Amino acid sequence: QQPVQSPQAVILREGEDAVINCSSSKALYSVHWYRQKHGEAPVFLMILLKGGEQKGHEKISASFNEKKQQSSLYLTASQLSYSGTYFCGTPDQGAQKLVFGQGTRLTINP
Amino acid sequence: GAGVSQSPRYKVTKRGQDVALRCDPISGHVSLYWYRQALGQGPEFLTYFNYEAQQDKSGLPNDRFSAERPEGSISTLTIQRTEQRDSAMYRCASSPTGQMNTEAFFGQGTRLTVV
Repeated sequence: QQPVQSPQAVILREGEDAVINCSSSKALYSVHWYRQKHGEAPVFLMILLKGGEQKGHEKISASFNEKKQQSSLYLTASQLSYSGTYFCGTPDQGAQKLVFGQGTRLTINP
Repeated sequence: GAGVSQSPRYKVTKRGQDVALRCDPISGHVSLYWYRQALGQGPEFLTYFNYEAQQDKSGLPNDRFSAERPEGSISTLTIQRTEQRDSAMYRCASSPTGQMNTEAFFGQGTRLTVV
């Protein structure tokens, strides 16, 4: 079952912060985050494996709340280069494959 | 090569024709995945291989779709008797281990248009 991302789209000014949420109706064992720029391939950001885990990549960090079956991606002091569509992916139970959310489109304006 | 390579980058075919899409993964990567991505949507799983073994093909839409990876490296996704609804971006990804929780590297994709 596909995870649900919110919001669907965000427009920010450079330097502002954003939060992207990913939630699932079933138990989550890990959450994968990818960013895809227009016309390019998705690029891996990070994986969160355990409840309560937090990770960082540049000024992008994420948390994973196992009990709430959700993950959040935090973009701090956003840069123009952060523009793109962010996807969360969750493993299909017992299978070696990811089910991706519908994406959150992030636009950063100067 | 340095990354995952897919060919052709663009393919326009007439309805009813067969097409073969090629994926050359990063050398030594164990797992190879095929996804389909509609415009504005997340990648949708089709099938995957560990080495040459097809482990899961549950995402293939119907029996017109097939995939192989005979020597555990290059993979081909074949669509027979193409239909307009097959038009999409087809992406390949590879990862270094057969474990779920490792980074996947995506290729640039093949944009298939069926006319």
